[in-house]
Amino acid sequence: NAGVMQNPRHLVRRRGQEARLRCSPVKGHSHVYWYRQLPEEGLKFMVYLQKENIIDESGMPKERFSAEFPKEGPSILRIQQVVRGDSAAYFCASSPASSGGTKTQYFGPGTRLLVL
Amino acid sequence: GENVEQHPSTLSVQEGDSAVIKCTYSDSASNYFPWYKQELGKGPQLIIDIRSNVGEKKDQRIAVTLNKTAKHFSLHITETQPEDSAVYFCAASPTSFLGNQFYFGTGTSLTVIP
Repeated sequence: NAGVMQNPRHLVRRRGQEARLRCSPVKGHSHVYWYRQLPEEGLKFMVYLQKENIIDESGMPKERFSAEFPKEGPSILRIQQVVRGDSAAYFCASSPASSGGTKTQYFGPGTRLLVL
Repeated sequence: GENVEQHPSTLSVQEGDSAVIKCTYSDSASNYFPWYKQELGKGPQLIIDIRSNVGEKKDQRIAVTLNKTAKHFSLHITETQPEDSAVYFCAASPTSFLGNQFYFGTGTSLTVIP
């Protein structure tokens, strides 16, 4: 009974490079959420996706950031031309399809991105 | 949008004592309130949650209370143990057509002193 998987767990990039973060949700979950956590802070919502659709991207910067959740394969959070301010822990969470009422989100172990 | 405030930011208790963490929220449409425990280097783990149609919920040494009128909810840990030491986050989730986005508090670092 695997939980949410994220890889890589640690990622080091130089300024200007691209970062790709992957998330495999709990088996059977069709909803994925990405959050960012800066040191000593809480989690900030970035984007909410269902299979092949972006439902809410209100927390994601308009430039350099993109997310996808294809029909097959993991969800990807992509950060282009990274800057030092992108250094943070990025967490993915998943939940089952909602038939009414808010569904619990289960979090992965996170990817810690360090931009040099 | 929703705004969740959490207090205290740090909390130290002696082993065996109780710990209480409080959160307030601003959006009356919020109807789901989970609590997560995050250990160093790990992802948040759900420890208990409560929905707006319930005032209190208990699971062994952990309990959560909700006051909808005052828009605040609290986490209570009794008979604390050293392994309870971690950062605890509250969250609130309003009902919206966009789904259930979670708004998190800023966290409470709990230290249980043996």
